Amino acid sequence: SQQGEEDPQALSIQEGENATMNCSYKTSINNLQWYRQNSGRGLVHLILIRSNEREKHSGRLRVTLDTSKKSSSLLITASRAADTASYFCATDASGNNRLAFGKGNQVVVIP
Amino acid sequence: DARVTQTPRHKVTEMGQEVTMRCQPILGHNTVFWYRQTMMQGLELLAYFRNRAPLDDSGMPKDRFSAEMPDATLATLKIQPSEPRDSAVYFCASGPGLAETQYFGPGTRLLVL
Repeated sequence: SQQGEEDPQALSIQEGENATMNCSYKTSINNLQWYRQNSGRGLVHLILIRSNEREKHSGRLRVTLDTSKKSSSLLITASRAADTASYFCATDASGNNRLAFGKGNQVVVIP
Repeated sequence: DARVTQTPRHKVTEMGQEVTMRCQPILGHNTVFWYRQTMMQGLELLAYFRNRAPLDDSGMPKDRFSAEMPDATLATLKIQPSEPRDSAVYFCASGPGLAETQYFGPGTRLLVL
């Protein structure tokens, strides 16, 4: 399956700490995306990283991509209670014209 | 601030009834996706369209589900007849391309009794 798999599936941290989650996938990709879902809401796109990129930043978010290991990581620095959410990675297999979403990481930031 | 809108936001119905969910994609987006989310199965892709043409609906039960795009501003997902196992949150998303960023609507929370 091309579906990305996030790890850990659940993470609980104190406000101010950094949160790191990983995503692994099986086949080559054109891009990998991270989304956030707050409870009861739709998914919100956070960042897209293309297969020829190794790292990307957006505010307190840092995404890395290692295509040799078929894995990506999402780092949230200086976490806030508002970062409590589920985080999904989504991949597109090269030649497969759609995204496949993982099952998500649940992150709880304790104030 | 362009957004995907979905109606209704909540729907409670009885088994056997028809359910129609509607989605207005972001103007200018040529791809539309329907997803279903449950605790057990996670996020499942049901069907998707490009330029209003259905590309793949292999993710949904054909005998009871149907998805259409009557025009560029409206996508519909219909369940007839509905069953309790259809209870889930149904999301619509639109985007500028099939594997590009997707913009999700707020979802329709469906409960079939």
